[in-house]
Amino acid sequence: DQQVKQNSPSLSVQEGRISILNCDYTNSMFDYFLWYKKYPAEGPTFLISISSIKDKNEDGRFTVFLNKSAKHLSLHIVPSQPGDSAVYFCAALAYSGAGSYQLTFGKGTKLSVIP
Amino acid sequence: KAGVTQTPRYLIKTRGQQVTLSCSPISGHRSVSWYQQTPGQGLQFLFEYFSETQRNKGNFPGRFSGRQFSNSRSEMNVSTLELGDSALYLCASSGNYGYTFGSGTRLTVV
Repeated sequence: DQQVKQNSPSLSVQEGRISILNCDYTNSMFDYFLWYKKYPAEGPTFLISISSIKDKNEDGRFTVFLNKSAKHLSLHIVPSQPGDSAVYFCAALAYSGAGSYQLTFGKGTKLSVIP
Repeated sequence: KAGVTQTPRYLIKTRGQQVTLSCSPISGHRSVSWYQQTPGQGLQFLFEYFSETQRNKGNFPGRFSGRQFSNSRSEMNVSTLELGDSALYLCASSGNYGYTFGSGTRLTVV
C-alpha cells in the first residue's frame, strides 16, 4: 500500500507561471515532509521541508503548504523557470523505532517548464 | 565537505550473478540508507545502517543485503540477480540536518 502518493506523473507549465505539485499521504505517524528535486542520472537534492506542526514554509521561489486534516501537501514554485524542469519527489519521515527514522517517497512528478 | 560518493556509477551484470555496490557517506555521518529507484516506482527503501548495525529494513527479498564498516562506508550486495533488479541504486547519508544523496549506481541486468 502506497503511503505517499503523487497522483500526477507529469506537469507542464509556462515559464513565469506558478507550478503546483501535489502530494497525499495516508500514515498519520509522518511528522516531517520533504521535497526533493531530481535530474536524470543524479541523486535527489533536497529542496524544502515542513514540520507537521506548521502549515507553510517558504524559501525563495518555493513554498510548501501542509494540510494535516486532509493529509495533503503541495509545493508551489513561483515564478517557474526552465531550470526547474526535473522530477520532484515528495517524501515523508516517520520514526520507525530503535533510533531510526524512515523516509518514504512518492513516485514523483515530472515538471516541464516551457520557455 | 565532500558529498556522498557511490561507486561504480554504471554496472552491467548477467542474470544469476551477484553484485556489490559501495557508498561513502559524508564525513561524520554515521547513518547510511539505501534506496532502489525503478521507472514508475519512485524510490523504495532497502535498509539503513548506523554504527555498523542494520537499524531498519524495507520489503525486499533476502537476496538484497548490506553492511557498514567502522569508517561508516557501506556496501550493498544483490545475489542471484534478476532482470527486475535493473534500477538506479541510491544511498543517502544522514547527520543532524537531513539526508544527502549520492549520484547513484545504475545497474543493468541482462
